[in-house]
Amino acid sequence: QLQLQESGSGLVKPSQTLSLTCAVSGGSINGDGYSWSWIRQPPGKGLQWIGYIYHSGTTYYNPSLKSRVTISVDTSKNQFSLRMTSVTAADTAVYYCARERELRGFDVWGQGTLVTVSS
Amino acid sequence: QSALTQPASVSGSPGQSITISCIGTSSDIGDYDYVSWYQQHPGQAPKLIIYEVVNRPSGVSDRFSGSKSGNTASLTISGLQAEDQADYFCSAYRSSSAVFGGGTKLTVL
Repeated sequence: QLQLQESGSGLVKPSQTLSLTCAVSGGSINGDGYSWSWIRQPPGKGLQWIGYIYHSGTTYYNPSLKSRVTISVDTSKNQFSLRMTSVTAADTAVYYCARERELRGFDVWGQGTLVTVSS
Repeated sequence: QSALTQPASVSGSPGQSITISCIGTSSDIGDYDYVSWYQQHPGQAPKLIIYEVVNRPSGVSDRFSGSKSGNTASLTISGLQAEDQADYFCSAYRSSSAVFGGGTKLTVL
């Protein structure tokens, strides 16, 4: 059974860079037709898609975050990562990684990790 | 402000049916059949319950059903049960970007 697990910095200072990694276990990140996404949820609020990547390295980003976000993949480690620069308090959220197959919905999610932006 | 519009809350009694709407535009819901719905209980990750407007993943109860008309998608839950009390989010695609609704809190009375 495929599982995703987020890890990374839980507390980031304003103007610094947020870095998270999603480890994929129980399956390969190399499957054709699958995309690997980052999605976030501010406390008490709704979901916001950040972007996704294919195992080939092709990426798509939310236009509102594109200038600050980079998603990368390491197929040798079966994981993918998120970097978000110049963070502010508005970036405080639970960050999820998730898998999607050919736009058919995000069917596997990580448990989520809370990232707080504060000095 | 979310890209897709959902009612903030709905409620129903056990055994009843409720419908949650998700209003988009001709550039997302109206243009593609890539509408998904998610159920989220407090402190948990979202769970996919409907994809491609009407399809249920394996293991999801047939009490959950989806539909679409024009720029509006809908999720219907029949035979409400206490365990259905949760937040529900719709999602669609717009120009290769996923967009979500603001979420609807379902209260089972």
